[in-house]
Amino acid sequence: AQSVTQPDIHITVSEGASLELRCNYSYGATPYLFWYVQSPGQGLQLLLKYFSGDTLVQGIKGFEAEFKRSQSSFNLRKPSVHWSDAAEYFCAVGGRNNNDMRFGAGTRLTVKP
Amino acid sequence: SQTIHQWPATLVQPVGSPLSLECTVEGTSNPNLYWYRQAAGRGLQLLFYSVGIGQISSEVPQNLSASRPQDRQFILSSKKLLLSDSGFYLCAWSHAAGTEQFFGPGTRLTVL
Repeated sequence: AQSVTQPDIHITVSEGASLELRCNYSYGATPYLFWYVQSPGQGLQLLLKYFSGDTLVQGIKGFEAEFKRSQSSFNLRKPSVHWSDAAEYFCAVGGRNNNDMRFGAGTRLTVKP
Repeated sequence: SQTIHQWPATLVQPVGSPLSLECTVEGTSNPNLYWYRQAAGRGLQLLFYSVGIGQISSEVPQNLSASRPQDRQFILSSKKLLLSDSGFYLCAWSHAAGTEQFFGPGTRLTVL
């Protein structure tokens, strides 16, 4: 069965600093990969997705992620973090014709002024 | 554009009471529908999904059940709530299996 590991439970960065959130997945076929963001008490919002093609994908709010098949990773990056980026971030893996999308435990991002 | 609604937004129920959470989607037809539970400080656990009216797949055996009486309506129910049922319940929809899912605002359930 597929699974997702987000090694960092909590990350703190200064506003304006760069950000990288790690995600490692396990999936027996071609993975579909996603990053979502969740503000406290809210639903999840899709930041970006990878199905195939270019391994560097651009998302909303200035985020990007790079798919590295050899490392089974899909890390999320942002060159300059804004205070409004403080939230919980979830990586997820699924696959074609697969309704069972698996989510990581999440990484909570704190942004220092 | 598509929107997804969940109600109620918050709910406090005693142990042993019944439960009914509702989710509706607007602006699309024949969506795949999903119920997730999110415990405090943890990721999302898929509870049920549905690919069509009356078609329900259960991922986790428990005292919860789901129904899909209409194309864009998904209901999560329980006959008798347990303390362990407390959590944040999220409904989501997708165009097809494996594609991105779009989430509702969630329902915070507290069982006392």
